[in-house]
Amino acid sequence: NAGVTQTPKFRILKIGQSMTLQCTQDMNHNYMYWYRQDPGMGLKLIYYSVGAGITDKGEVPNGYNVSRSTTEDFPLRLELAAPSQTSVYFCASSPLKDLNYGYTFGSGTRLTVV
Amino acid sequence: KQEVTQIPAALSVPEGENLVLNCSFTDSAIYNLQWFRQDPGKGLTSLLLIQSSQREQTSGRLNASLDKSSGRSTLYIAASQPGDSATYLCAAKGSSGDKLTFGTGTRLAVRP
Repeated sequence: NAGVTQTPKFRILKIGQSMTLQCTQDMNHNYMYWYRQDPGMGLKLIYYSVGAGITDKGEVPNGYNVSRSTTEDFPLRLELAAPSQTSVYFCASSPLKDLNYGYTFGSGTRLTVV
Repeated sequence: KQEVTQIPAALSVPEGENLVLNCSFTDSAIYNLQWFRQDPGKGLTSLLLIQSSQREQTSGRLNASLDKSSGRSTLYIAASQPGDSATYLCAAKGSSGDKLTFGTGTRLAVRP
């Protein structure tokens, strides 16, 4: 049972560089989410998707882009990295029909922008 | 807009003590409330999920309660152990059913 897999686990970027954080789930979940967690803070929703081809903004979408071409994959793109994007990024998924079902989280990507 | 608050932010207790973590939310129209555990440098592990129609859920030494009318949930940990040391996060799923709002967490330390 792989669940939700995130890569890479760690990354250091220079200001202005771009990168893609990968997220894959093998549970056939329709809903997928990207969160960021800053030190000592809760998780803030960046983007989410309710199914392939559908994405929507969360609380803090600026500086990020997403796509959802398949049910399994939900990559998060940073185009021009800024120090304010230094954070831990978590991907999560949940089933479509049973809205009372819980979320499954990946183990996170720790990103530092210098 | 849903806001979720957790008090206290940090808690240190001796081993064996029973303890309660608090979570409050501003919008009572929720689908469910979920409690997570997060170990340092790790992801989130789901502990308990309480559906909006339920009052409580139990798993081993953990018991979570939900009072929608007052906008509160509590996580009760019985006979705490050093292995329980972690950050505990609560999260409310909104009435639209598609998003979770997280609290800032309670960092628990259980002293041997």
